[in-house]
Amino acid sequence: RKEVEQDPGPFNVPEGATVAFNCTYSNSASQSFFWYRQDCRKEPKLLMSVYSSGNEDGRFTAQLNRASQYISLLIRDSKLSDSATYLCVVNRGTGRRALTFGSGTRLQVQP
Amino acid sequence: DAGVTQSPTHLIKTRGQQVTLRCSPKSGHDTVSWYQQALGQGPQFIFQYYEEEERQRGNFPDRFSGHQFPNYSSELNVNALLLGDSALYLCASSPRLAGGRETQYFGPGTRLLVL
Repeated sequence: RKEVEQDPGPFNVPEGATVAFNCTYSNSASQSFFWYRQDCRKEPKLLMSVYSSGNEDGRFTAQLNRASQYISLLIRDSKLSDSATYLCVVNRGTGRRALTFGSGTRLQVQP
Repeated sequence: DAGVTQSPTHLIKTRGQQVTLRCSPKSGHDTVSWYQQALGQGPQFIFQYYEEEERQRGNFPDRFSGHQFPNYSSELNVNALLLGDSALYLCASSPRLAGGRETQYFGPGTRLLVL
C-alpha cells in the first residue's frame, strides 16, 4: 500500500465548476500536509499548506482529518489555468524531513 | 531572490555510464533534498543533505550518492546507469528549522534519459 494515495483522475470539468480531490495517508506520524501543483513537464510548486482547522486561499479550500488520515482540496469556479496535476504531500516532521508524495490527480478544465 | 537552480536541464546517457547533477538552493536555505520523478508518478525521495552530510535516505541503491558543499550547493551522482533511471530529477531546498511548517521549494529539474 502506498503511503499517500490519490485518485489519479483525470478529472475533466467545465469552466466554473467546483471540483474536489481526496487523499489518504497511512503514516499516523505525519505532521505537516500540503497540496502542490505540477504543470506538464515542470517542477511541483506549493499550492497551499493544510491545517487541522481547514484553510482557504481564494478559490481553494483545504481540509485535514487527522482521525481518518484524510486530506481534501476543493477548487471553486474552476479556470482553464487550473488545469494541472495536483499532488498531495505529507511530511513526517519539519522541513528537514522527506516529503512523501501521492501520484497526483490530473485536472483538465475545459472551455 | 534567486530560487532553486539545477543543471543541466536535460541529459542523455547510455546504460552503464555515470552522471552528476547539480543544485544550488534558494538563498537562505541550508538543506537540500533530491527526488526522482518517473513519468506519471509523484516524486520519490532519494536523500537529504544538510551540514554537508547525508541525513536521510529513501529506498534507493548505493549507485545513488551525493555531496553537499560548504556553500550549501549539492550534487547527485548516479553510477552504472540503468534504463529505469530515466526520470526527472528534482532538487528541493528548505530553510533551517522554523516553526515546523516550512516546506520545500523545488528547482526546475534535470530530465535524464538513459538509452
